[in-house]
Amino acid sequence: DAGVIQSPRHEVTEMGQEVTLRCKPISGHNSLFWYRQTMMRGLELLIYFNNNVPIDDSGMPEDRFSAKMPNASFSTLKIQPSEPRDSAVYFCASTPGQYYGYTFGSGTRLTVV
Amino acid sequence: AQSVTQPDIHITVSEGASLELRCNYSYGATPYLFWYVQSPGQGLQLLLKYFSGDTLVQGIKGFEAEFKRSQSSFNLRKPSVHWSDAAEYFCAVGAVTNAGKSTFGDGTTLTVKP
Repeated sequence: DAGVIQSPRHEVTEMGQEVTLRCKPISGHNSLFWYRQTMMRGLELLIYFNNNVPIDDSGMPEDRFSAKMPNASFSTLKIQPSEPRDSAVYFCASTPGQYYGYTFGSGTRLTVV
Repeated sequence: AQSVTQPDIHITVSEGASLELRCNYSYGATPYLFWYVQSPGQGLQLLLKYFSGDTLVQGIKGFEAEFKRSQSSFNLRKPSVHWSDAAEYFCAVGAVTNAGKSTFGDGTTLTVKP
């Protein structure tokens, strides 16, 4: 099993540009979570999906952020337009159910200049 | 609502010494409890989990944790720390729902002295 796959690993972009982060969960995992991690705010839950349906997006900081899960094997997190304060490591995690805990991807380090 | 408190932001121990990281949770029902470890530049990795049964659970890398309902605690322990254990450790509590959402603590950074 390749685990949760995130791409790209690193992204440097200019302020105002659109950024798309990608995640492939583990096959058979029916819940997917997007987190953001910074030194100042720690680990923040942005949004999570269950069976491809968004369940709670209350952690999405602004309308500039959007997330989709068009099928069970793919999810995207988009930031448009990006700002320097969006610089962080973004993690995707998946789970087949609460009892199992999460499997995290290796993260995408986003730098907005 | 569920919540998790990790009282220690940073702990330093000598290599070979024992380790205990504290975690207190708040949840109205029987919780799912987890410990994760994050090495620099990596994602979080599940160390161990608890839901029911024996209150002392064993995990990977020689770690164990004990669930104490009366104290609402789930402390992580290791009898002898290795330099490679230096990392950040997160405690998490989960709700008994299909979506499997967990709430994470703020983490404890472990430094290991040679």
